[in-house]
Amino acid sequence: AQRVTQPEKLLSVFKGAPVELKCNYSYSGSPELFWYVQYSRQRLQLLLRHISRESIKGFTADLNKGETSFHLKKPFAQEEDSAMYYCALSATGFQKLVFGTGTRLLVSP
Amino acid sequence: KAGVTQTPRYLIKTRGQQVTLSCSPISGHRSVSWYQQTPGQGLQFLFEYFSETQRNKGNFPGRFSGRQFSNSRSEMNVSTLELGDSALYLCASSPRTSGGRTDTQYFGPGTRLTVL
Repeated sequence: AQRVTQPEKLLSVFKGAPVELKCNYSYSGSPELFWYVQYSRQRLQLLLRHISRESIKGFTADLNKGETSFHLKKPFAQEEDSAMYYCALSATGFQKLVFGTGTRLLVSP
Repeated sequence: KAGVTQTPRYLIKTRGQQVTLSCSPISGHRSVSWYQQTPGQGLQFLFEYFSETQRNKGNFPGRFSGRQFSNSRSEMNVSTLELGDSALYLCASSPRTSGGRTDTQYFGPGTRLTVL
């Protein structure tokens, strides 16, 4: 079975502080991992995916198959990063996404 | 390009009724997936349609069904509504041309269904 765990419901940091949103997954096959973000009053949208290995809005995420983790990191949080973040997994090539429960990131000035 | 559109945006029904939700994908996208979002269960995959055929299915009862038309527009239907069906129903489209990779999914704004 595929499962995604995001242990923190809420992460509150000050502007300029480092951020790490945790994501662990369970899947015996070859997974594809994603981070989706939902800003206030906006649609759910892709932030980044592990196969791209790129940095989006200063965020990076590395797939660690040994620890089955895909944590999202940013060295210096900005107020505009405040949003709901969802980690998601799919079996390679399939369009079915399994989502974690989400972490609300609150960045205070 | 215009984004994914969903109609209606809000819906109120009573138990036992049925409901049909509509989704228009981004132009050129051939795959449409549906998700249910509730406070208790979070985001859960319902099903995916591609080329008018259901390709993947989540773990939902048969009361939940869908279809896709030749222009890639999709509808989902819920029959014999229950209180627990109250949720935000999200539709997502993707091009389905990635040749072995999972596509980026582009989400619509959702339809908020309330069952009384």
